[in-house]
Amino acid sequence: DTGVSQDPRHKITKRGQNVTFRCDPISEHNRLYWYRQTLGQGPEFLTYFQNEAQLEKSRLLSDRFSAERPKGSFSTLEIQRTEQGDSAMYLCASSRTAYEQYFGPGTRLTVT
Amino acid sequence: GEDVEQSLFLSVREGDSSVINCTYTDSSSTYLYWYKQEPGAGLQLLTYIFSNMDMKQDQRLTVLLNKKDKHLSLRIADTQTGDSAIYFCAERTNAGKSTFGDGTTLTVKP
Repeated sequence: DTGVSQDPRHKITKRGQNVTFRCDPISEHNRLYWYRQTLGQGPEFLTYFQNEAQLEKSRLLSDRFSAERPKGSFSTLEIQRTEQGDSAMYLCASSRTAYEQYFGPGTRLTVT
Repeated sequence: GEDVEQSLFLSVREGDSSVINCTYTDSSSTYLYWYKQEPGAGLQLLTYIFSNMDMKQDQRLTVLLNKKDKHLSLRIADTQTGDSAIYFCAERTNAGKSTFGDGTTLTVKP
């Protein structure tokens, strides 16, 4: 099994720009999750997909954030009009069962 | 809402046991987890316990759950320098959202 992969691993962008991150889950994992982690804190839940359906979305996910999983395989997370407060590590996880999550290496976003 | 609390730091000598503690507030938590994060690396699922269990052992790891007090602990026997990392406690009530603590940094001194 290859693990969860995320692309890019690092992204530096200027405030106001849009960015998009991609997550490829472990093969045959139908559940996919996005989290955000800032320095010194634990991951904060952003959103959850089962297959292509987005079943849960945090209030942290403002109107500038959108996530998709069009064919129930890979997922994208887009942030529009980035702000400095969006600087964080964006983590993706996947699972086949309700009780496990396998995390990818993350995408580190720096907004200047 | 859900909240998970952990102490921030723990330092032990190599060969000693480490005990990392966690408290949570959501009494409907179904699953409780321990993750390990090494510098520059992703989160690694170490172990999990269902809320209807009170103990789980996996090699050097022992998880104890006191559901009445909403207290979870992770014991690492014979702690090694390679165990130095940040350990996160997390809880989940359904198939979606997990709530994480802010992590306990374990330092193992030779």
